[in-house]
Parts: sequence; structure tokens; C-alpha cells
Amino acid sequence: AQKITQTQPGMFVQEKEAVTLDCTYDTSDPSYGLFWYKQPSSGEMIFLIYQGSYDQQNATEGRYSLNFQKARKSANLVISASQLGDSAMYFCAMRRLTGNQFYFGTGTSLTVIP
Amino acid sequence: DGGITQSPKYLFRKEGQNVTLSCEQNLNHDAMYWYRQDPGQGLRLIYYSQIVNDFQKGDIAEGYSVSREKKESFPLTVTSAQKNPTAFYLCASSSGYVYSNNEQFFGPGTRLTVL
Repeated sequence: AQKITQTQPGMFVQEKEAVTLDCTYDTSDPSYGLFWYKQPSSGEMIFLIYQGSYDQQNATEGRYSLNFQKARKSANLVISASQLGDSAMYFCAMRRLTGNQFYFGTGTSLTVIP
Repeated sequence: DGGITQSPKYLFRKEGQNVTLSCEQNLNHDAMYWYRQDPGQGLRLIYYSQIVNDFQKGDIAEGYSVSREKKESFPLTVTSAQKNPTAFYLCASSSGYVYSNNEQFFGPGTRLTVL
């Protein structure tokens, strides 16, 4: 069975500081994709970053980077220089490359403090 | 602009009534999904469809039904058999069938309240 675990229900970070949101996954598939989404209070799901299981380098997208440790099965999201607008729920997700189903974690609520 | 639309944004229903949530995409994606989200919770998969006229049950399909007659449309019906239907419903789509890394695109969601 595929499973995504986010152990931090809530996190606080000071504005302009960096924060790491944890995500571990469990799969026996050799090929998979890992995704992070942001969900503001409006409810929309915004795609942030993607990491493929065979990618040699950690993915980066602007202030977002993914700390991918394949042996540990972890895919932590790092947000640098936090902004007030980063306050939202963040979800980690996994997709098996041999199918079209996505598996989501329970999310982490991030609050950026001025 | 390409994207996913869901209507209505807010929906109120009396107990015992069926209600259909609309989801339309113009991204030419093959796969479409329905998720349910309860307050403070993650997303739970209700149904998904990989191609037209084909769909599979997700983790919480009981009390729900779907159809996929057109590539662009994937409506979800919440039936009276669904015991606790009040929730936020998200529709999503993705491209590719196998060996695809493409992300899911989400609609704005429908907030259903049973009175």
C-alpha cells in the first residue's frame, strides 16, 4: 500500500526565516513522483514543486526546494525567506508512474509570524 | 485560459436529496479525479477516471456516483446514501496514462452543506 505521512500538524515560522515541512512516504514501486501543494484558506490547491524518484538533484522552484532523501523515503519541503502569504496548508503527495492515482498526506498548517 | 471549473461554489442540500457537482476541464487531460476534504483533514479519493467511459472507485466511494461520457466532464453525484456529505469537494485532472510525472490540476472546489 502507498502511504504519505506528514507528522507536523502545525508549524510556525518568523517572516523572512526558512522552514522545513516534513514528508515521508512508503512505496515498493521503483518509480514514483513526489509533489507538494499549497492550499490557502480559499481552498484552491496550488502546485508548488515536483521530484521524480530517479532525479539525481533536488528540485527547486524559486523559494521552494525539495530535500529528497530516497534511502530514507523522505521528501521534505523547504521554504526560504518566508512571507506572510505563505501561511496556508501544505500537502505532500505521491504518484505511482504506472498508474494515475495520487496519494496525499494529511497536511501541515504553516503560519508565518510578522 | 485553460483550467478546471467546478460549480457551484457553495451548495446547500436537504437531507435525503441527491445532488450533482459539476466539473469541467479544457486542459485535454485524460485523467480526472474527485476528492473529499473535511475540516483540518487531507484529501480522500472518491472516484477517478483514466479515460472516457471508464472510472474506478477510490477509498470512500460509498454513497457517491460518477459518469465520464465526455473527456472534458466528470460530474459527481452525492446520493442520499452518503451518511455525512457535508464537506469540501475538489475535482482534479492530470495528463498522461502511464509513466507520466505530470501534476494534478485542481478546480476551485465546491463546499456542500447538508441542512
